[in-house]
Amino acid sequence: DGGITQSPKYLFRKEGQNVTLSCEQNLNHDAMYWYRQDPGQGLRLIYYSQIVNDFQKGDIAEGYSVSREKKESFPLTVTSAQKNPTAFYLCASSPGGGGTDTQYFGPGTRLTVL
Amino acid sequence: GQNIDQPTEMTATEGAIVQINCTYQTSGFNGLFWYQQHAGEAPTFLSYNVLDGLEEKGRFSSFLSRSKGYSYLLLKELQMKDSASYLCAVRARDSNYQLIWGAGTKLIIKP
Repeated sequence: DGGITQSPKYLFRKEGQNVTLSCEQNLNHDAMYWYRQDPGQGLRLIYYSQIVNDFQKGDIAEGYSVSREKKESFPLTVTSAQKNPTAFYLCASSPGGGGTDTQYFGPGTRLTVL
Repeated sequence: GQNIDQPTEMTATEGAIVQINCTYQTSGFNGLFWYQQHAGEAPTFLSYNVLDGLEEKGRFSSFLSRSKGYSYLLLKELQMKDSASYLCAVRARDSNYQLIWGAGTKLIIKP
């Protein structure tokens, strides 16, 4: 079964701790994305990667870091520098290469920082 | 700058038809997407428009007018399971061809 997995579904951390959210896809997609969703707001792009070993900052990259060492994996680290990290985090992937290039989403991780 | 507007919330009756509007302001338009998102879940892809006109897919249709910066999602024969948020997203040159998302329209279906 092809798809995108994110784990865990719920995550609690103390303020000041770094935390890493996992995202894995077996769709053979080139491009992967991390979004943050807050109530009453549209999805906001944190980082994206169009190819292995390369990634670009999105609109709200401050306080976050990523790596793309494998095509299947795009982990996101929420650092202690992120001022308001409590949110619903969504990972997505797309085939890449222009055209329709539809994004498909994982189930999300709800992060709560106490 | 980029701006995407959708109504915050709409209510409709089971079996009826509802139209959810989306207006946008971008430079170098390159496609518009509609997604459905049930509470606490991931968005799922519904439709894509890049040329003017109507795209029909079962009970759901999506319309685009590039000259007016306007799209709508039309849902027919509403079912209770259609209660969800509907997200409009636009891809454009001035966002480096990344999606810019509206805040979503929460659709409430009543029996």
